[in-house]
Amino acid sequence: DGGITQSPKYLFRKEGQNVTLSCEQNLNHDAMYWYRQDPGQGLRLIYYSQIVNDFQKGDIAEGYSVSREKKESFPLTVTSAQKNPTAFYLCASSKGAGETQYFGPGTRLLVL
Amino acid sequence: SQKIEQNSEALNIQEGKTATLTCNYTNYSPAYLQWYRQDPGRGPVFLLLIRENEKEKRKERLKVTFDTTLKQSLFHITASQPADSATYLCALEGTGRRALTFGSGTRLQVQP
Repeated sequence: DGGITQSPKYLFRKEGQNVTLSCEQNLNHDAMYWYRQDPGQGLRLIYYSQIVNDFQKGDIAEGYSVSREKKESFPLTVTSAQKNPTAFYLCASSKGAGETQYFGPGTRLLVL
Repeated sequence: SQKIEQNSEALNIQEGKTATLTCNYTNYSPAYLQWYRQDPGRGPVFLLLIRENEKEKRKERLKVTFDTTLKQSLFHITASQPADSATYLCALEGTGRRALTFGSGTRLQVQP
């Protein structure tokens, strides 16, 4: 089955801790994206990558970091600098930048 | 500043009626516009893409119009069903970057 997987489904973070959210795709897509969604809100772009070993900041990159060492993988680290990390995090991929996006099931991050 | 506006109030309609959702944008010159459906706790799913040179696009019970003069897209669901109840998001490519920007979405509730 082709698609995008995100893990874990739920993630708990302690104060001052960095946590990493996983995103993997087997669609052979070049572009990958991370979004944050707060309750009742739309999607806000955190980071995106158009090609391996390259990525750009979105609208709310502060307190987050990413890497794109492999085409299939685009992990997101929520650092301790992100003071309000509780949200629903969505990963997506597309054939090319700006094209139709395919989303993963999401990871819900909660702060203990 | 750039804005994508969707009606934040939920739209309630009776089963069998046509639902019409609106997406307005300012300070964008999009080559195309996309519509997605999102169910609670899940990632958005792509529905339709309409290009700037297309006035209308249809897919089964769905119809999208795109008026670049009014800077508006309308999304119609004919013969609506309770299963159509969800949040519908419009998205377009942001100026200066090859990534989609999403509106905040409109929640549709179809009553049986």
